[in-house]
Amino acid sequence: DVKVTQSSRYLVKRTGEKVFLECVQDMDHENMFWYRQDPGLGLRLIYFSYDVKMKEKGDIPEGYSVSREKKERFSLILESASTNQTSMYLCASTGAGESYEQYFGPGTRLTVT
Amino acid sequence: AQKVTQAQTEISVVEKEDVTLDCVYETRDTTYYLFWYKQPPSGELVFLIRRNSFDEQNEISGRYSWNFQKSTSSFNFTITASQVVDSAVYFCALIMEGGATNKLIFGTGTLLAVQP
Repeated sequence: DVKVTQSSRYLVKRTGEKVFLECVQDMDHENMFWYRQDPGLGLRLIYFSYDVKMKEKGDIPEGYSVSREKKERFSLILESASTNQTSMYLCASTGAGESYEQYFGPGTRLTVT
Repeated sequence: AQKVTQAQTEISVVEKEDVTLDCVYETRDTTYYLFWYKQPPSGELVFLIRRNSFDEQNEISGRYSWNFQKSTSSFNFTITASQVVDSAVYFCALIMEGGATNKLIFGTGTLLAVQP
């Protein structure tokens, strides 16, 4: 089974802190994604990566950056956390084949106070 | 532009009732894929089904069935004889064929509450 893991299920951080959310997948997938989920807005794509050291902005990249130094790991970075970044963050991965099915991690619920 | 609309924000049913979750999509592409995901209270999205644009056959899997109609750009999901364990948020999603990035476009989700 494909497994996507995220470093924390719950995080509480203070405004202005630098926050790292880690995501690891074990299926040698090329593509990895970070989404945030907010009530009434569904899932919105923040950043994605289709290869090591490659990244592209999604629909809402402002306030975020990412890092992909190894194929299996994709990190989301909040350089200076703000209260409007309180949300559920979901990581996903998919291979380069035809299925397009994305496999999701359990999510990290981040609260910024 | 591509878009997925799930007009039903919340649905509440009593156990054993049948329920249909609506999904309407917009795309100009001729080749695309549609998905349904389930998000139980634990938070992890669980893949339910994938359909490509050339396959309009309805699909049934146990109590779940899907009705794909290109003429109305809809991909509706029906749960027969609902159970409490079906309580979750359900997302419909769309993806274009091709490209290295496989970006999914999600609807806003429908929260289904099944009461005992």
